[in-house]
Amino acid sequence: GQNIDQPTEMTATEGAIVQINCTYQTSGFNGLFWYQQHAGEAPTFLSYNVLDGLEEKGRFSSFLSRSKGYSYLLLKELQMKDSASYLCAVLDSNYQLIWGAGTKLIIKP
Amino acid sequence: GAVVSQHPSRVICKSGTSVKIECRSLDFQATTMFWYRQFPKKSLMLMATSNEGSKATYEQGVEKDKFLINHASLTLSTLTVTSAHPEDSSFYICSAGLLLADSYNEQFFGPGTRLTVL
Repeated sequence: GQNIDQPTEMTATEGAIVQINCTYQTSGFNGLFWYQQHAGEAPTFLSYNVLDGLEEKGRFSSFLSRSKGYSYLLLKELQMKDSASYLCAVLDSNYQLIWGAGTKLIIKP
Repeated sequence: GAVVSQHPSRVICKSGTSVKIECRSLDFQATTMFWYRQFPKKSLMLMATSNEGSKATYEQGVEKDKFLINHASLTLSTLTVTSAHPEDSSFYICSAGLLLADSYNEQFFGPGTRLTVL
């Protein structure tokens, strides 16, 4: 079966750095997405990785290792508004998006 | 660009009634529209995929007679929850897809509709 694992919840301090991990086992791979979802709102796109390595975009960076079936989302200089759920999703061989359950990130002052 | 709207944003209805949710791509024509359901603290679950002018493709376990999808144009898709029951209460999210290379649909999400069935 297809499976995406990410921690259920994480807590971090304002101004700090946090890394949210995602491991996946899917039938084929055509890219990995990270989305941010605030409570009661739809997901918003953060990043897309299809090749190994680190993609940096402002305070957010995303890393991919296809051989390990592993990705992480790195958030720097955390702000209170970063409190949200972060969803990892993989595009499989049929170009279907397989979603993880999401990681709820709690930022404390 | 790539704005998707959903209406209504919230709806409360009585058990047994039907509810229609609209999804519109405002500034682009969507090749495909996707309907998701999300229960509290759970991930998005794809319900169905629809292409304009053809029947929707439903995911396993989703009743097509209960969740009617109409995709009348390249900018509008509707989801009708028929004979709604309390267990249908959920957050329904649509996304509109733009077909890119290699058969991949870039998905742009609507703001979601919170359905509460009493």
